[in-house]
Amino acid sequence: EAGVVQSPRYKIIEKKQPVAFWCNPISGHNTLYWYLQNLGQGPELLIRYENEEAVDDSQLPKDRFSAERLKGVDSTLKIQPAELGDSAVYLCASSPGTGVGPDTQYFGPGTRLTVL
Amino acid sequence: GENVEQHPSTLSVQEGDSAVIKCTYSDSASNYFPWYKQELGKRPQLIIDIRSNVGEKKDQRIAVTLNKTAKHFSLHITETQPEDSAVYFCAAADDNYGQNFVFGPGTRLSVLP
Repeated sequence: EAGVVQSPRYKIIEKKQPVAFWCNPISGHNTLYWYLQNLGQGPELLIRYENEEAVDDSQLPKDRFSAERLKGVDSTLKIQPAELGDSAVYLCASSPGTGVGPDTQYFGPGTRLTVL
Repeated sequence: GENVEQHPSTLSVQEGDSAVIKCTYSDSASNYFPWYKQELGKRPQLIIDIRSNVGEKKDQRIAVTLNKTAKHFSLHITETQPEDSAVYFCAAADDNYGQNFVFGPGTRLSVLP
């Protein structure tokens, strides 16, 4: 079974530039998550999708961050404009979404963003 | 909301010794507690999990214990090997937050040969 796929793996941009990250979840997984992981810290949830619906985006800085999950499969996370403090690893995860209690989440390899 | 603390932040053990990492959580409604291992530059990978209806779960050299009354759970690794060196994250989740996990800050385990 293929795991969660993310691209690009690394991205270096100048501040104020836009950037986008892409995620392809495990086939059949209804729930998709975007996390932010700062160096030396645990992942922090940015947004959670159930199919194509964003059901929890309370931690997403909506002034500069946006996300979409068209057709309930792949997802894109965008930052515009990027700031120095956005440098971090952006992780995507997916879970089956059985609706019966919390599911195991499977993580992608992440995108390491460096903002100069 | 849920808050998860994790101790110690770093842990060094000799190969063959045991390692124990402890997490505490604040929300008594939490009912699912996974542990993830993250090697440098790689994705977090689930190594073991436990639900609130059991007190202990074991998988070969890895075990997790849960004390719901005290609101803490621990990861136990026996007969540690150099390949166990990584950062370990605990997390807590409950149905009230749907599928949301709250992660601890991580423990960097170093197994010295």
